[in-house]
Amino acid sequence: AQSVTQPDIHITVSEGASLELRCNYSYGATPYLFWYVQSPGQGLQLLLKYFSGDTLVQGIKGFEAEFKRSQSSFNLRKPSVHWSDAAEYFCAVGAGGTGFQKLVFGTGTRLLVSP
Amino acid sequence: AAGVIQSPRHLIKEKRETATLKCYPIPRHDTVYWYQQGPGQDPQFLISFYEKMQSDKGSIPDRFSAQQFSDYHSELNMSSLELGDSALYFCAGRASGYGYTFGSGTRLTVV
Repeated sequence: AQSVTQPDIHITVSEGASLELRCNYSYGATPYLFWYVQSPGQGLQLLLKYFSGDTLVQGIKGFEAEFKRSQSSFNLRKPSVHWSDAAEYFCAVGAGGTGFQKLVFGTGTRLLVSP
Repeated sequence: AAGVIQSPRHLIKEKRETATLKCYPIPRHDTVYWYQQGPGQDPQFLISFYEKMQSDKGSIPDRFSAQQFSDYHSELNMSSLELGDSALYFCAGRASGYGYTFGSGTRLTVV
């Protein structure tokens, strides 16, 4: 069964500094990988996704993520963080190919942005 | 573009009452997933449907049931509500080969 690990519960970054949020997944076949962002009390907004092809994927709001099969990782990055990026970030994995597989989420990383 | 619509946005119920949550996916998204997110928790999968048939089942209590209708919308029925059922309930829609699109959720508060 697939699983996702986000080792950092909280991360604090200064505004303007770079950001990397870690995500490791466990899945035997080709995974579908996602990053979602959630503001307090709000829904899940898709930042980016990886299905296949180029391992460096670009998303919205200046985010990018790199799929590294050898490390089973899909880390999220942003070169310069803005105060509005403060939120909860969830990494998720779904089964590859066709089918009805559910998404499995990591426990989330809360990003705090300091002035 | 139209998104996934969930109703109601907020719901307050008393213990032992029933609640019905509705989800309207994006047109042609034929698979619907329900998730429960408790305070400070990650979303937990409850149940999913494809073409009106249950396709997968997660940690859904026996007090809950769900179905998908011919127009692909789905309803989550919750009975004998408990305080611990207070959570944000998301649905997501998906079409084969496409990603998942989440609704904004229904916040259920049981008092």
